[in-house]
Amino acid sequence: NAGVTQTPKFQVLKTGQSMTLQCAQDMNHEYMSWYRQDPGMGLRLIHYSVGAGITDQGEVPNGYNVSRSTTEDFPLRLLSAAPSQTSVYFCASARGSNYGYTFGSGTRLTVV
Amino acid sequence: GIQVEQSPPDLILQEGANSTLRCNFSDSVNNLQWFHQNPWGQLINLFYIPSGTKQNGRLSATTVATERYSLLYISSSQTTDSGVYFCAVDQTGANNLFFGTGTRLTVIP
Repeated sequence: NAGVTQTPKFQVLKTGQSMTLQCAQDMNHEYMSWYRQDPGMGLRLIHYSVGAGITDQGEVPNGYNVSRSTTEDFPLRLLSAAPSQTSVYFCASARGSNYGYTFGSGTRLTVV
Repeated sequence: GIQVEQSPPDLILQEGANSTLRCNFSDSVNNLQWFHQNPWGQLINLFYIPSGTKQNGRLSATTVATERYSLLYISSSQTTDSGVYFCAVDQTGANNLFFGTGTRLTVIP
């Protein structure tokens, strides 16, 4: 079991560029989420999915898109990167609504 | 929206000491989880504990949902316990976690 795998681990983007952060889990979890963590703060929910084909917005969705075509994968797309999106991004998965989340190791993104 | 307050914000312990971390939340919740973020940034789920008491080795947690608080106990602390401890709650029933700002624990040898 690899758990939750995020790629890349580090990325530098120029303002206006687009990119996709990858997230994959091999635990057959239905629930998947994306969070961002800014310095000195807790995590904030960007988007989440309760199963393949189902996604919804979290607390800070602007500037990000997601899709969930398979149970295993939940990519996060930055449409036009802005310096305000400099952050550490975490993907997480859970078996269901009454289970604890397993987090990936994070992607550190810098937008210049 | 819901408020999640963690205390203390910072804690320094001598190795071997015990500690209690507190999480207060302002509204009823479906779900409460404790996480440890180690100095390398990895987030580890410690407990899923919407109510009651659980124990895992030197760590235990208690949530009193009716009084809107949860406690994380760390006994016989070790340097590897250092990091930030987060409490996170969900009100939606969809496991959408709202995180507190954390307690930073430093254990010195």
